[in-house]
Amino acid sequence: AQSVAQPEDQVNVAEGNPLTVKCTYSVSGNPYLFWYVQYPNRGLQFLLKYITGDNLVKGSYGFEAEFNKSQTSFHLKKPSALVSDSALYFCAVRDESGATNKLIFGTGTLLAVQP
Amino acid sequence: DAGVTQSPTHLIKTRGQQVTLRCSPKSGHDTVSWYQQALGQGPQFIFQYYEEEERQRGNFPDRFSGHQFPNYSSELNVNALLLGDSALYLCASSHPGGSGANVLTFGAGSRLTVL
Repeated sequence: AQSVAQPEDQVNVAEGNPLTVKCTYSVSGNPYLFWYVQYPNRGLQFLLKYITGDNLVKGSYGFEAEFNKSQTSFHLKKPSALVSDSALYFCAVRDESGATNKLIFGTGTLLAVQP
Repeated sequence: DAGVTQSPTHLIKTRGQQVTLRCSPKSGHDTVSWYQQALGQGPQFIFQYYEEEERQRGNFPDRFSGHQFPNYSSELNVNALLLGDSALYLCASSHPGGSGANVLTFGAGSRLTVL
């Protein structure tokens, strides 16, 4: 069964420094991968997706993610963190078993950006 | 353009009661999915509705049921509530075609507390 893993419960970074939030995946076929962000008392907001093509995907708010098939990873990155980036980040993979766009989410990584 | 709207935002129930949560999808979207997000966890897929039919169901008991109306809005019903049903219930909508086909738009959620 497909799954995603987010090995870090929390990532701390100083404002202005680059940030990386890690995600690894397990699928039997070609993965459809996503990053979503959740601010307190809010729903999830779409950041970016990888379906096929260029391994470096650019998304909203200056975020990007690098798809690495050999390492089965899809890490989220940003060159310069902002305090306002502090939130809960979820990696997700589309379920291969059905004909729907059901997503399987990781457990989330809390990003804390210090001023 | 209104996004996904959910109601109520918060509610408190006691064990054994029944609850109905409501969702209006984003304009132009015809597919609605429901997710349960327990505290400190990633969202878990409950089911998805398209053309008023349940297309796929996650690993949830029959106490969880849903409905989609001709205007694409949806309801989630949970019977015989258990303490473990306490969670944030997220509705997500999507459209099956085009570049946004795999992207879910989430509402802010309905936070259910079962006492």
